[in-house]
Amino acid sequence: GAVVSQHPSWVICKSGTSVKIECRSLDFQATTMFWYRQFPKQSLMLMATSNEGSKATYEQGVEKDKFLINHASLTLSTLTVTSAHPEDSSFYICSARGPREGAANEQFFGPGTRLTVL
Amino acid sequence: LAKTTQPISMDSYEGQEVNITCSHNNIATNDYITWYQQFPSQGPRFIIQGYKTKVTNEVASLFIPADRKSSTLSLPRVSLSDTAVYYCLVGDGNQGGKLIFGQGTELSVKP
Repeated sequence: GAVVSQHPSWVICKSGTSVKIECRSLDFQATTMFWYRQFPKQSLMLMATSNEGSKATYEQGVEKDKFLINHASLTLSTLTVTSAHPEDSSFYICSARGPREGAANEQFFGPGTRLTVL
Repeated sequence: LAKTTQPISMDSYEGQEVNITCSHNNIATNDYITWYQQFPSQGPRFIIQGYKTKVTNEVASLFIPADRKSSTLSLPRVSLSDTAVYYCLVGDGNQGGKLIFGQGTELSVKP
């Protein structure tokens, strides 16, 4: 149980285009999902917290107009990288807070999406 | 959110027990300690979580001393497939459930 999927697993796009990444909780409902970015040989950096039915909360330094997050249902959150540039090339990972009540810090991560902007 | 400090890297050999220690001097009363494993180009995978003393599951043990200012992840009899980055995180899940990842420990298991 507690499986999170991401689509696509990798994407290559031209500079200036927008890319949408989907994150789905397959067998549980996730009111809260998180988006991370990871550059090579670095740790995960939290970008934003996505709450179903409300606006996302962005971490300091993350441009909300560039990284659009929509959490329209209890099983789906999307991250859209708008007007992508080569410096946005990274590994994007989503996670969903686990379904167990009182399970602090238990998050289930998706497999990640490799974005390459040419 | 409490800051964590781990060794940047560790080397081991197949069949050995590996202990990775994490310092979290500013841990709060309500904080839990959670460890994740990450392979290259994959999302992190939950390993184990604890609050105090010792927790054991099918893959690892977690030792937490009484003052809870550190914790040790113990991997018994590692294999080559345990080569990965291991992250120690501290939090109570109540701050919106946010997880802030530190630098992690890159474990390399050699034959």
